[in-house]
Amino acid sequence: DAGITQSPRHKVTETGTPVTLRCHQTENHRYMYWYRQDPGHGLRLIHYSYGVKDTDKGEVSDGYSVSRSKTEDFLLTLESATSSQTSVYFCATRTGVNSPLHFGNGTRLTVT
Amino acid sequence: AQKVTQAQTEISVVEKEDVTLDCVYETRDTTYYLFWYKQPPSGELVFLIRRNSFDEQNEISGRYSWNFQKSTSSFNFTITASQVVDSAVYFCALSENTGRRALTFGSGTRLQVQP
Repeated sequence: DAGITQSPRHKVTETGTPVTLRCHQTENHRYMYWYRQDPGHGLRLIHYSYGVKDTDKGEVSDGYSVSRSKTEDFLLTLESATSSQTSVYFCATRTGVNSPLHFGNGTRLTVT
Repeated sequence: AQKVTQAQTEISVVEKEDVTLDCVYETRDTTYYLFWYKQPPSGELVFLIRRNSFDEQNEISGRYSWNFQKSTSSFNFTITASQVVDSAVYFCALSENTGRRALTFGSGTRLQVQP
């Protein structure tokens, strides 16, 4: 257990509203990731971070932004939520570049 | 671009049967890592195994075994004598050795083990 906490665990929001999901880790891992899971697509990378204030885009980054002001926190923001962003969001960390990812328990987001 | 294909969307077996989950990958990297994860009905993602591209030895852990064949770009997962508790979605993933160093996942295989 890499001590990863995602909040909230569930959220329902309306189209057009901003939403921020939080990932908090207690293991001081350098690398952090946000994935979304959708049926038929597996997990797809949204954004990732190599360290404080060092972030970059993944394959499905449109409509999302991230921030990492502290090692332990990685925030994912949906600037203006759309129904296509209804999904389960997973945060993950890893100790090194080729070590396994350790995942949080996920956030189920519904955009109505 | 890297890609992982899990062609089996869903497999249903009866308890005690053996079952193999297929994983085929594409990469231009000469050094890479392959992973398997399990996602039980409770939803968490559980790491099962990591294999690097230089180690083609098969690995066995209890009822689980993994067959890595570089020549066919495959990393298949076999469960021997399946049990109901093996029911889950299983994901194969590939780790880039350059660039963003993220895992690329397959779409997953849902395994249903019937009692």
